Amino acid sequence: GQQLNQSPQSMFIQEGEDVSMNCTSSSIFNTWLWYKQDPGEGPVLLIALYKAGELTSNGRLTAQFGITRKDSFLNISASIPSDVGIYFCAGQQNAGNNRKLIWGLGTSLAVNP
Amino acid sequence: DTEVTQTPKHLVMGMTNKKSLKCEQHMGHRAMYWYKQKAKKPPELMFVYSYEKLSINESVPSRFSPECPNSSLLNLHLHALQPEDSALYLCASSQGGRTDTQYFGPGTRLTVL
Repeated sequence: GQQLNQSPQSMFIQEGEDVSMNCTSSSIFNTWLWYKQDPGEGPVLLIALYKAGELTSNGRLTAQFGITRKDSFLNISASIPSDVGIYFCAGQQNAGNNRKLIWGLGTSLAVNP
Repeated sequence: DTEVTQTPKHLVMGMTNKKSLKCEQHMGHRAMYWYKQKAKKPPELMFVYSYEKLSINESVPSRFSPECPNSSLLNLHLHALQPEDSALYLCASSQGGRTDTQYFGPGTRLTVL
């Protein structure tokens, strides 16, 4: 099935460092979503983006909906140990009754205290 | 409140057993979803219910049978599963419309012996 290109695949950083990850696609999306997932738990929505060019923050997290509608990035500033987890991007085309999310393969983040 | 609840948290079953997974949301969302997730992979869509009617079935084997008794509840009935069906099963819901955003439950960890 269709997938988004998410990078990097994994990151190992020191506490306090900033983190950046991104997703790209060959298709246009109307919605970009960023989720964080801890082991054995469900994905938790971090940021939802609905408009091309939109830049949205949620605490130390900032995400942008690319102007071409084919990409998005997520930044985490001043990382802390609880930022550890897998971050997934997902795009949605919202065409008619199509509610399917297209997912990236995830970015695994490890933070060294 | 963006809470989706799932029961049970963990389930172990034999290949001849019949069991059910349950999901509930009280956000007034009109769409509900079942996903299957293997370790370190993104969720895979199984079923979508929209306004209590099955709208998407991603060619899921008949040993998985979804049911939507009302707009707040979603069940997944399991029968004659295989060991390869062991996974984290996630429920999600969304409100529909232009800013359709899926919120996930904590998942049920299923082990088939």
